[in-house]
Amino acid sequence: KNQVEQSPQSLIILEGKNCTLQCNYTVSPFSNLRWYKQDTGRGPVSLTIMTFSENTKSNGRYTATLDADTKQSSLHITASQLSDSASYICVVSLGGATNKLIFGTGTLLAVQP
Amino acid sequence: NAGVTQTPKFRVLKTGQSMTLLCAQDMNHEYMYWYRQDPGMGLRLIHYSVGEGTTAKGEVPDGYNVSRLKKQNFLLGLESAAPSQTSVYFCASSYYPSGGYNEQFFGPGTRLTVL
Repeated sequence: KNQVEQSPQSLIILEGKNCTLQCNYTVSPFSNLRWYKQDTGRGPVSLTIMTFSENTKSNGRYTATLDADTKQSSLHITASQLSDSASYICVVSLGGATNKLIFGTGTLLAVQP
Repeated sequence: NAGVTQTPKFRVLKTGQSMTLLCAQDMNHEYMYWYRQDPGMGLRLIHYSVGEGTTAKGEVPDGYNVSRLKKQNFLLGLESAAPSQTSVYFCASSYYPSGGYNEQFFGPGTRLTVL
């Protein structure tokens, strides 16, 4: 069964601190992996997209890593800001003709002053 | 550029009532999608369209119908609403198929409650 699991479910950190969110997937065939940020009451916004050949990709203070062998990805947030408070969703794209996206349930991050 | 917009933002229905959710995009995207997001679950695909005049079923299509009469608009209809359809509905669009190495743009969502 194609699945995307994220941990932790929720996380509270202090402003200025770093944090790392985890994503494990069992998806086949694999095409690419994405991280989205979803602010409360808004739609998801893409942060990064990585294919199996890309180990790391950065977008400002966000750095995503991908280990296609162990089927794990992480999203590292550096020097967190209050505006980073959101849900972070890991999404894996199936390859082949289906072009289907498998969404994780997200990690809810709260950054406190 | 408004991107992807959705109408309405909120709606409360009684069981058995019908309604249509409207999605509009101004990016000239070929592909459009309707998702629902429920607590504790990832987004699930309801229906999608690969171009004007075409629609296809997604993962959870039962109880919904869609139409894509114009390239920029994608409508989601509920003919007889049920409490199980209480959810947040997101529309999205993209240039290429969602599985490709390309970005999918989401609207702000419609929060629907069925009593």
